[in-house]
Amino acid sequence: DTEVTQTPKHLVMGMTNKKSLKCEQHMGHRAMYWYKQKAKKPPELMFVYSYEKLSINESVPSRFSPECPNSSLLNLHLHALQPEDSALYLCASSQDPWGRGTEAFFGQGTRLTVV
Amino acid sequence: GQQVMQIPQYQHVQEGEDFTTYCNSSTTLSNIQWYKQRPGGHPVFLIQLVKSGEVKKQKRLTFQFGEAKKNSSLHITATQTTDVGTYFCAGRNAGGTSYGKLTFGQGTILTVHP
Repeated sequence: DTEVTQTPKHLVMGMTNKKSLKCEQHMGHRAMYWYKQKAKKPPELMFVYSYEKLSINESVPSRFSPECPNSSLLNLHLHALQPEDSALYLCASSQDPWGRGTEAFFGQGTRLTVV
Repeated sequence: GQQVMQIPQYQHVQEGEDFTTYCNSSTTLSNIQWYKQRPGGHPVFLIQLVKSGEVKKQKRLTFQFGEAKKNSSLHITATQTTDVGTYFCAGRNAGGTSYGKLTFGQGTILTVHP
């Protein structure tokens, strides 16, 4: 199984809503990532979890709250988002986060629209 | 922080023409990866380069990593319509507080006209 599964595929939420994005991988990867991607832009790193601990937070606003319940799951909790937060949210995983030569496997993404 | 610059931003070619995209990092990289993202899709890993001066080939694709491990290129020979998409380089920091962080270049959007 070389897949990273993200749910939901599409999400429309109001600015007062609370929602969660979910990501799952069963490749035994010990690093998991959240990226945000706007149209015609590169993926922009938000968070990195290494061995289930948050290792990088790229100064992301607190309305985005990541959670790694176990080595296979990664969640992104959303609260009080703004319309400019509308984007494709990509989850990725890799075998080793410390640059020793492992590719990142990306999920299909969740296309989020904030209204 | 680390920056990875990629050019050109857009490239339109006729089918059969060659295509090259270039990446340049502000810092030394431990490795560089290349990804392809089809329209409406997600990034898919193509290759990773680790050694200084490394050259790797995948059929019509040739990847190079510079001697100083700060620049890289992807060359496609005789493009086909299936090559359409955005090509991203992504470099991993070699050290510092963001060790291991993968930073994407801006991407090159390739259009192939039949």
